[in-house]
Amino acid sequence: GAVVSQHPSWVICKSGTSVKIECRSLDFQATTMFWYRQFPKQSLMLMATSNEGSKATYEQGVEKDKFLINHASLTLSTLTVTSAHPEDSSFYICSARAGTGPPFGSGTRLTVV
Amino acid sequence: AQSVAQPEDQVNVAEGNPLTVKCTYSVSGNPYLFWYVQYPNRGLQFLLKYITGDNLVKGSYGFEAEFNKSQTSFHLKKPSALVSDSALYFCAVRDGAAGNKLTFGGGTRVLVKP
Repeated sequence: GAVVSQHPSWVICKSGTSVKIECRSLDFQATTMFWYRQFPKQSLMLMATSNEGSKATYEQGVEKDKFLINHASLTLSTLTVTSAHPEDSSFYICSARAGTGPPFGSGTRLTVV
Repeated sequence: AQSVAQPEDQVNVAEGNPLTVKCTYSVSGNPYLFWYVQYPNRGLQFLLKYITGDNLVKGSYGFEAEFNKSQTSFHLKKPSALVSDSALYFCAVRDGAAGNKLTFGGGTRVLVKP
């Protein structure tokens, strides 16, 4: 089945630095990937839709300059949290458009100190 | 706009007893419905989906769900719960006429006690 790999699984960074999270489709080509954010004990909120070779589509209220998305190949989408602040600490999960139940990455726990 | 409601924040059940996790949805077109399970600090694992066809959908780990169009529900069920089923469960919907976006319910925490 379709598998999505997400790295890193956890990261701690200093306030003001940038962090890049990778999402890879391992055994299929993903023209579309999705980035979600999950706060503790809450549901997943879609942040943006990443399209290979074009600009990402951001959901209302998500700062595109803060959460940079790049989808330069059919198997890789990256989310960069720029100038991270403690309020950006969260669990970030990616997903890919696939024929089966959309597969999800294992998530990245970001802690900004 | 599409939406999903999971009315129970938590469900407690004894091991060996039937487990039901409720989900209702709202879409303007035909619903594509999904159930996922999440273990602590992990991503979501796909359990099952309904696109069309038989209203009773069988999925992974002995789970099944019944699509009820008149009640706009898609409840998740398991005849005999295991302690290892303790996790966070999410129902999600995609409007067949509105692209690829999944909208998730708030999640239901299942606690299976030995």
